[in-house]
Amino acid sequence: KQEVTQIPAALSVPEGENLVLNCSFTDSAIYNLQWFRQDPGKGLTSLLLIQSSQREQTSGRLNASLDKSSGRSTLYIAASQPGDSATYLCAAYSGGGADGLTFGKGTHLIIQP
Amino acid sequence: EPEVTQTPSHQVTQMGQEVILRCVPISNHLYFYWYRQILGQKVEFLVSFYNNEISEKSEIFDDQFSVERPDGSNFTLKIRSTKLEDSAMYFCASTKILYNEQFFGPGTRLTVL
Repeated sequence: KQEVTQIPAALSVPEGENLVLNCSFTDSAIYNLQWFRQDPGKGLTSLLLIQSSQREQTSGRLNASLDKSSGRSTLYIAASQPGDSATYLCAAYSGGGADGLTFGKGTHLIIQP
Repeated sequence: EPEVTQTPSHQVTQMGQEVILRCVPISNHLYFYWYRQILGQKVEFLVSFYNNEISEKSEIFDDQFSVERPDGSNFTLKIRSTKLEDSAMYFCASTKILYNEQFFGPGTRLTVL
């Protein structure tokens, strides 16, 4: 059964810093990995999707990497802004009888102005 | 930009009552999902739906739950006899192609008293 873990659980950094959020998964047989942002009491906003054949994806100040063999993904946020404050979730899609995404618990990020 | 919508945003019900949560997936998407998030916990997969039938369901999705696509646009989740532990945020998601990016709705907060 796939398990997804995110470290750290919470992170607080000053505005302008670059930062890395970590995600690990136990079963490397994934089809893709998706990163989401969740604001308090709100839905999930998809940030990036990395297919299993890809090593990284970029969108604006966000860069996500995937290392299937080690069961790890990272989300890099460049030049952080207060508006980046949210909970960031990663989710692995394993398919084949486990048809939904398996989520981590998230990293709660606070960017201090 | 097309988005997944959900109604109502908040539903309060008494234990033992039936509730129906409604979702309108993105119009050209073919795969539909329900997830739930109990306060402070991970987002959990409930069920996937394709071609008018359930593809997969998790162990959470017991006989008290059912899903339906009553017309060409709506996708519903019914809980027949709600329990206190059904209190959670319920998210609908859809994707156009299997193994592709899943797009989530804003969620319905269900409170069972």
